[in-house]
Amino acid sequence: SYELTQPPSVSVSPGQTASITCSGDKLGDKYACWYQQNPGQSPVLVIYQDTKRPSGIPERFSGSNSGNTATLTISGTQAMDEADYYCQAWDSGTVVFGGGTKLTVL
Amino acid sequence: EVQLVESGGGLVQPGGSLRLSCAASGFTFSSYWMQWVRQAPGKGLVWVSRINSDGSSTTYADSVKGRFTISRDNAKNTLYLQMNSLRAEDTAVYYCAREGAVAGSPLDSWGQGTLVTVSS
Repeated sequence: SYELTQPPSVSVSPGQTASITCSGDKLGDKYACWYQQNPGQSPVLVIYQDTKRPSGIPERFSGSNSGNTATLTISGTQAMDEADYYCQAWDSGTVVFGGGTKLTVL
Repeated sequence: EVQLVESGGGLVQPGGSLRLSCAASGFTFSSYWMQWVRQAPGKGLVWVSRINSDGSSTTYADSVKGRFTISRDNAKNTLYLQMNSLRAEDTAVYYCAREGAVAGSPLDSWGQGTLVTVSS
């Protein structure tokens, strides 16, 4: 079965750029998307089709996808961005999630 | 405004059954594929099941195949998950989620989740 691998944790200082990676075999041939989940809340879509932002998502969130790696980038990271982030792709008609990355802003 | 409201969670003994519901509003429910996703306490998101817009096609994760059944009632704007032969490892918050306008789109709307606890 298809697998997506994320680092368990990433730390960033306020105002700096955070990058969260998601690796999978030939992931660049698929669309990747990203969800943000705050503690006790439901996931929220922040990036879809590799690079697109849904309405209401701040411009500091961006994405890329090439080769075997998709990347979520948060520019000018704010304290409110501290959350868990999950990548997701489709494989054979089913949804596949990465294991999640806890972003700490300190 | 899109709303998805899950219900039906609770405490159940191993081997027992439970039916989850997800009431949808704010969009044309019958036009969208729907999904169930679960999250065990302190763990990540795990896909459970998917159903097409008219209910004629369903898919399941291997871990629940043969035990769980996804269905929908488009007249009632409601998605269901019938869970049988429950195991401790099924303990999780269960979310219903809507696929985007085109099948294979990301999950653009999520419910608040309902907690299922399987324990004796």
